[in-house]
Amino acid sequence: SAVISQKPSRDICQRGTSLTIQCQVDSQVTMMFWYRQQPGQSLTLIATANQGSEATYESGFVIDKFPISRPNLTFSTLTVSNMSPEDSSIYLCSVEDHGSTGWYGYTFGSGTRLTVV
Amino acid sequence: ILNVEQSPQSLHVQEGDSTNFTCSFPSSNFYALHWYRWETAKSPEALFVMTLNGDEKKKGRISATLNTKEGYSYLYIKGSQPEDSATYLCAFLNTGNQFYFGTGTSLTVIP
Repeated sequence: SAVISQKPSRDICQRGTSLTIQCQVDSQVTMMFWYRQQPGQSLTLIATANQGSEATYESGFVIDKFPISRPNLTFSTLTVSNMSPEDSSIYLCSVEDHGSTGWYGYTFGSGTRLTVV
Repeated sequence: ILNVEQSPQSLHVQEGDSTNFTCSFPSSNFYALHWYRWETAKSPEALFVMTLNGDEKKKGRISATLNTKEGYSYLYIKGSQPEDSATYLCAFLNTGNQFYFGTGTSLTVIP
Protein backbone atom coordinates (compact mmCIF):
# COMPACT_ATOMS: atom_id res chain seq x y z
CA SER A 1 0.00 0.00 0.00
CA ALA A 2 0.98 3.64 -0.44
CA VAL A 3 3.13 5.39 2.16
CA ILE A 4 2.41 9.03 2.95
CA SER A 5 4.81 11.43 4.59
CA GLN A 6 3.01 14.35 6.21
CA LYS A 7 4.57 17.38 7.85
CA PRO A 8 4.67 19.17 10.14
CA SER A 9 3.48 16.66 12.72
CA ARG A 10 2.41 19.44 15.04
CA ASP A 11 2.53 23.20 15.36
CA ILE A 12 1.41 25.96 17.65
CA CYS A 13 0.47 29.09 15.71
CA GLN A 14 -0.65 32.61 16.48
CA ARG A 15 -4.12 33.62 15.43
CA GLY A 16 -4.21 35.49 12.14
CA THR A 17 -1.27 33.60 10.67
CA SER A 18 -1.30 30.77 8.11
CA LEU A 19 0.15 27.26 8.14
CA THR A 20 0.90 25.06 5.15
CA ILE A 21 0.76 21.29 5.59
CA GLN A 22 2.51 19.03 3.10
CA CYS A 23 1.85 15.46 2.05
CA GLN A 24 4.20 13.40 -0.10
CA VAL A 25 3.07 9.99 -1.42
CA ASP A 26 5.53 7.31 -2.53
CA SER A 27 3.45 6.49 -5.63
CA GLN A 28 1.38 8.39 -8.15
CA VAL A 29 -2.24 8.84 -7.17
CA THR A 30 -5.09 10.56 -8.94
CA MET A 31 -6.87 11.99 -5.92
CA MET A 32 -5.67 13.10 -2.53
CA PHE A 33 -8.08 13.89 0.28
CA TRP A 34 -7.74 16.37 3.12
CA TYR A 35 -9.56 15.78 6.43
CA ARG A 36 -9.95 17.64 9.68
CA GLN A 37 -10.82 16.30 13.11
CA GLN A 38 -11.84 18.93 15.59
CA PRO A 39 -11.78 17.94 19.29
CA GLY A 40 -14.58 15.48 20.03
CA GLN A 41 -15.76 15.43 16.43
CA SER A 42 -15.52 12.93 13.58
CA LEU A 43 -13.02 13.12 10.78
CA THR A 44 -14.56 15.47 8.23
CA LEU A 45 -13.57 15.76 4.60
CA ILE A 46 -12.38 19.26 3.70
CA ALA A 47 -11.62 18.78 0.01
CA THR A 48 -10.44 16.45 -2.72
CA ALA A 49 -7.28 17.50 -4.54
CA ASN A 50 -6.96 16.48 -8.19
CA GLN A 51 -3.79 17.01 -10.17
CA GLY A 52 -4.23 19.56 -12.90
CA SER A 53 -7.52 20.98 -11.72
CA GLU A 54 -8.99 22.96 -8.84
CA ALA A 55 -9.71 21.11 -5.64
CA THR A 56 -13.30 20.15 -4.88
CA TYR A 57 -14.44 21.52 -1.52
CA GLU A 58 -17.09 20.04 0.74
CA SER A 59 -19.95 22.07 2.11
CA GLY A 60 -18.75 24.46 4.79
CA PHE A 61 -15.18 24.70 3.47
CA VAL A 62 -13.95 27.40 1.06
CA ILE A 63 -10.84 27.88 -1.02
CA ASP A 64 -9.95 31.23 0.56
CA LYS A 65 -9.70 29.60 3.98
CA PHE A 66 -8.15 26.28 2.89
CA PRO A 67 -6.23 26.77 -0.36
CA ILE A 68 -4.87 23.52 -1.78
CA SER A 69 -2.10 22.89 -4.25
CA ARG A 70 -1.56 19.71 -6.25
CA PRO A 71 1.44 20.33 -8.50
CA ASN A 72 1.97 16.65 -9.40
CA LEU A 73 0.62 13.15 -8.78
CA THR A 74 2.66 12.55 -5.60
CA PHE A 75 2.38 15.81 -3.65
CA SER A 76 -0.21 18.15 -2.19
CA THR A 77 -0.37 20.99 0.29
CA LEU A 78 -3.21 22.36 2.39
CA THR A 79 -2.94 25.86 3.84
CA VAL A 80 -4.99 26.92 6.85
CA SER A 81 -5.31 30.68 6.39
CA ASN A 82 -5.95 33.50 8.83
CA MET A 83 -6.16 31.02 11.68
CA SER A 84 -8.40 31.30 14.71
CA PRO A 85 -8.58 29.04 17.78
CA GLU A 86 -11.50 27.19 16.12
CA ASP A 87 -9.02 25.88 13.54
CA SER A 88 -7.23 23.90 16.25
CA SER A 89 -7.61 20.36 14.94
CA ILE A 90 -5.81 17.35 13.57
CA TYR A 91 -5.42 17.61 9.80
CA LEU A 92 -4.90 14.44 7.76
CA CYS A 93 -4.26 13.72 4.12
CA SER A 94 -5.21 10.40 2.57
CA VAL A 95 -5.26 8.44 -0.68
CA GLU A 96 -7.24 5.45 -1.89
CA ASP A 97 -5.39 2.19 -1.45
CA HIS A 98 -6.02 -0.20 -4.33
CA GLY A 99 -4.15 -3.49 -4.35
CA SER A 100 -3.99 -6.38 -6.80
CA THR A 101 -6.82 -8.23 -5.03
CA GLY A 102 -9.17 -5.33 -4.46
CA TRP A 103 -9.71 -2.13 -2.58
CA TYR A 104 -8.10 -1.94 0.82
CA GLY A 105 -9.59 1.34 1.97
CA TYR A 106 -7.74 4.56 2.53
CA THR A 107 -4.15 5.18 3.58
CA PHE A 108 -3.55 8.21 5.77
CA GLY A 109 -0.67 10.46 6.65
CA SER A 110 0.30 10.61 10.30
CA GLY A 111 -1.55 13.87 10.81
CA THR A 112 -0.75 17.45 11.74
CA ARG A 113 -1.87 18.49 15.20
CA LEU A 114 -2.51 22.23 15.03
CA THR A 115 -3.06 24.46 18.04
CA VAL A 116 -3.98 28.10 17.44
CA VAL A 117 -3.41 30.47 20.34
CA ILE B 1 -24.41 15.05 6.44
CA LEU B 2 -25.28 11.48 7.42
CA ASN B 3 -25.03 10.16 10.96
CA VAL B 4 -22.48 7.47 11.63
CA GLU B 5 -22.54 6.72 15.33
CA GLN B 6 -20.15 4.71 17.42
CA SER B 7 -20.64 3.45 20.91
CA PRO B 8 -19.35 3.53 23.48
CA GLN B 9 -17.35 6.74 23.13
CA SER B 10 -14.63 5.32 25.37
CA LEU B 11 -13.88 2.05 27.03
CA HIS B 12 -11.41 0.83 29.64
CA VAL B 13 -10.81 -2.91 29.92
CA GLN B 14 -8.38 -5.13 31.77
CA GLU B 15 -5.71 -6.97 29.84
CA GLY B 16 -7.08 -10.32 28.75
CA ASP B 17 -10.70 -9.22 28.63
CA SER B 18 -12.63 -9.45 25.41
CA THR B 19 -14.57 -6.43 24.25
CA ASN B 20 -16.76 -5.18 21.46
CA PHE B 21 -18.14 -1.93 20.17
CA THR B 22 -20.73 -0.79 17.68
CA CYS B 23 -20.93 1.32 14.56
CA SER B 24 -24.38 2.40 13.34
CA PHE B 25 -24.90 3.80 9.89
CA PRO B 26 -27.74 4.50 7.41
CA SER B 27 -29.12 1.30 5.90
CA SER B 28 -29.90 2.93 2.55
CA ASN B 29 -27.46 3.53 -0.31
CA PHE B 30 -24.85 1.32 1.34
CA TYR B 31 -21.62 0.60 -0.52
CA ALA B 32 -18.98 -0.28 2.07
CA LEU B 33 -18.11 -0.05 5.75
CA HIS B 34 -14.53 0.50 6.88
CA TRP B 35 -12.89 0.00 10.25
CA TYR B 36 -9.67 1.80 11.17
CA ARG B 37 -7.40 1.74 14.19
CA TRP B 38 -5.83 5.09 15.09
CA GLU B 39 -3.04 5.17 17.61
CA THR B 40 -1.92 8.50 19.01
CA ALA B 41 0.65 10.29 16.80
CA LYS B 42 0.31 7.63 14.09
CA SER B 43 -1.71 7.26 10.88
CA PRO B 44 -5.11 5.61 10.99
CA GLU B 45 -4.57 2.02 9.89
CA ALA B 46 -7.19 0.17 7.84
CA LEU B 47 -8.46 -2.96 9.59
CA PHE B 48 -11.36 -4.10 7.44
CA VAL B 49 -13.31 -3.12 4.36
CA MET B 50 -16.71 -4.80 4.42
CA THR B 51 -19.17 -4.75 1.57
CA LEU B 52 -21.64 -7.63 1.88
CA ASN B 53 -24.46 -8.09 4.34
CA GLY B 54 -23.49 -10.86 6.73
CA ASP B 55 -19.75 -10.33 6.11
CA GLU B 56 -17.48 -11.46 8.89
CA LYS B 57 -13.81 -10.54 8.77
CA LYS B 58 -10.97 -11.49 11.07
CA LYS B 59 -7.43 -10.23 11.60
CA GLY B 60 -5.66 -11.95 14.47
CA ARG B 61 -7.64 -11.29 17.65
CA ILE B 62 -9.84 -8.68 15.99
CA SER B 63 -12.97 -9.50 14.05
CA ALA B 64 -15.92 -7.60 12.64
CA THR B 65 -19.44 -8.35 11.48
CA LEU B 66 -21.73 -6.41 9.19
CA ASN B 67 -25.51 -6.07 8.97
CA THR B 68 -26.38 -3.71 6.13
CA LYS B 69 -30.14 -4.25 6.41
CA GLU B 70 -30.31 -2.87 9.92
CA GLY B 71 -27.29 -0.60 9.58
CA TYR B 72 -24.75 -1.77 12.12
CA SER B 73 -21.33 -3.35 12.43
CA TYR B 74 -19.64 -4.82 15.48
CA LEU B 75 -15.92 -4.90 16.13
CA TYR B 76 -14.69 -7.56 18.55
CA ILE B 77 -11.33 -7.82 20.25
CA LYS B 78 -10.56 -11.12 21.94
CA GLY B 79 -8.13 -11.16 24.85
CA SER B 80 -7.30 -7.44 24.77
CA GLN B 81 -3.66 -6.44 25.07
CA PRO B 82 -2.16 -3.04 25.99
CA GLU B 83 -1.03 -2.60 22.39
CA ASP B 84 -4.71 -2.67 21.34
CA SER B 85 -5.16 0.71 23.04
CA ALA B 86 -6.23 3.10 20.29
CA THR B 87 -9.22 4.86 18.84
CA TYR B 88 -11.26 2.63 16.55
CA LEU B 89 -13.02 4.47 13.74
CA CYS B 90 -15.69 3.21 11.43
CA ALA B 91 -16.51 4.91 8.14
CA PHE B 92 -19.52 4.49 5.89
CA LEU B 93 -19.22 4.80 2.11
CA ASN B 94 -22.45 5.24 0.21
CA THR B 95 -23.29 4.60 -3.43
CA GLY B 96 -22.76 8.31 -4.12
CA ASN B 97 -19.09 7.82 -3.19
CA GLN B 98 -19.50 9.91 -0.04
CA PHE B 99 -17.47 8.81 2.94
CA TYR B 100 -18.54 9.54 6.53
CA PHE B 101 -16.58 8.74 9.67
CA GLY B 102 -17.93 8.05 13.12
CA THR B 103 -16.45 9.85 16.11
CA GLY B 104 -14.61 6.74 17.21
CA THR B 105 -14.39 4.51 20.26
CA SER B 106 -11.34 5.15 22.42
CA LEU B 107 -10.11 1.88 23.91
CA THR B 108 -7.67 1.73 26.82
CA VAL B 109 -6.39 -1.68 27.87
CA ILE B 110 -5.08 -1.66 31.43
CA PRO B 111 -2.15 -4.02 32.08
